[in-house]
Amino acid sequence: GQQLNQSPQSMFIQEGEDVSMNCTSSSIFNTWLWYKQDPGEGPVLLIALYKAGELTSNGRLTAQFGITRKDSFLNISASIPSDVGIYFCAGPNNYGQNFVFGPGTRLSVLP
Amino acid sequence: ETGVTQTPRHLVMGMTNKKSLKCEQHLGHNAMYWYKQSAKKPLELMFVYNFKEQTENNSVPSRFSPECPNSSHLFLHLHTLQPEDSALYLCASSQELAGRRLSSGNTIYFGEGSWLTVV
Repeated sequence: GQQLNQSPQSMFIQEGEDVSMNCTSSSIFNTWLWYKQDPGEGPVLLIALYKAGELTSNGRLTAQFGITRKDSFLNISASIPSDVGIYFCAGPNNYGQNFVFGPGTRLSVLP
Repeated sequence: ETGVTQTPRHLVMGMTNKKSLKCEQHLGHNAMYWYKQSAKKPLELMFVYNFKEQTENNSVPSRFSPECPNSSHLFLHLHTLQPEDSALYLCASSQELAGRRLSSGNTIYFGEGSWLTVV
């Protein structure tokens, strides 16, 4: 079945730094979704991408749908402590009924 | 506020108890899901419902029993659970099942989760 890989698995950055993480797959996705999960909470949708090459921003967050449709990246500019959490990429399984999720990138922001 | 509400947020139950988790979505979606998330593990799909009909059971033990009376409500009935079932249980919904391509895009929205501890 379709799988998503995320890198890095975890990262420690200083407050104020920019962050970049990506999501890749061996198969094509028609939609890329980025979520953030705070400890003990459900994932919250950050950005949804529906078209290859699309670049979308949400405040300090920017995400792009790769031209090959096999990857996507998420950038966070000028990180702040509340950016701490796990960031998941996801996409609809083209051959089934569920959504596929990456394993997540765990972000820690040091003051 | 994601439009998906889960209750209770926290539940502690003994191994012989029977309890239920409730999920309600106010988004007009047709598909609903239960996921399990254990500590430091990926999201694990449990059940999928579409128009209140179960379309996927991801080999979930029978001590977990889902119920979907209508497209807006989803329950997870729990009985004779084991301590290893302790986890965050997440409900989610989407306009259509993942395989359907929509002109407006198909996105999945999660509730805040129900923390379950089995003692």
